[in-house]
Amino acid sequence: NAGVTQTPKFQVLKTGQSMTLQCAQDMNHNSMYWYRQDPGMGLRLIYYSASEGTTDKGEVPNGYNVSRLNKREFSLRLESAAPSQTSVYFCASSPLSDYKNIQYFGAGTRLSVL
Amino acid sequence: AQSVTQPDIHITVSEGASLELRCNYSYGATPYLFWYVQSPGQGLQLLLKYFSGDTLVQGIKGFEAEFKRSQSSFNLRKPSVHWSDAAEYFCAVAIDYKLSFGAGTTVTVRA
Repeated sequence: NAGVTQTPKFQVLKTGQSMTLQCAQDMNHNSMYWYRQDPGMGLRLIYYSASEGTTDKGEVPNGYNVSRLNKREFSLRLESAAPSQTSVYFCASSPLSDYKNIQYFGAGTRLSVL
Repeated sequence: AQSVTQPDIHITVSEGASLELRCNYSYGATPYLFWYVQSPGQGLQLLLKYFSGDTLVQGIKGFEAEFKRSQSSFNLRKPSVHWSDAAEYFCAVAIDYKLSFGAGTTVTVRA
């Protein structure tokens, strides 16, 4: 069981470059999420998709865009990377957009912006 | 305003000793509370959750947590720690269909 798969695992960018973080889940979940993890701040929600075809901003959406490509895939794009976006990014999925539903996390993408 | 506070940034415990991790929340309605664990280089894994009912909940890997409404707390405990419990632990509260996480507590286990 793959669960939630994130690619790439590591990435180094220069300031101003763009890139897309990929996330795919094979659990037939409706909802997907993107978080960033910074030391001492826990995980903060960037964007989420309650269901296929919908996306909404989370706590820290500035500088990011997302695409819910289909039910399985939810990508996060940095159009013009900044050093402040150096972080560990996690994708998660859950069966439904309901706070009682457990979120399942990928292994993360470690991004450095120089 | 932070919804979840984990007062301890780092805890060191001896193998075989007991462990307690503190979590306090601020939320007006009945909270839905979670504890997640993150092993080094890994994603987060759910340890346990509280929605309602019995205030002492059991989770995986021998962990348990107690919800105390009067103290706005949801502390995580384990009676006897194993070296494999070295990890970062996150408390989270569900608010408006999203999870709000605490800053995390790193647990180091010494032999």
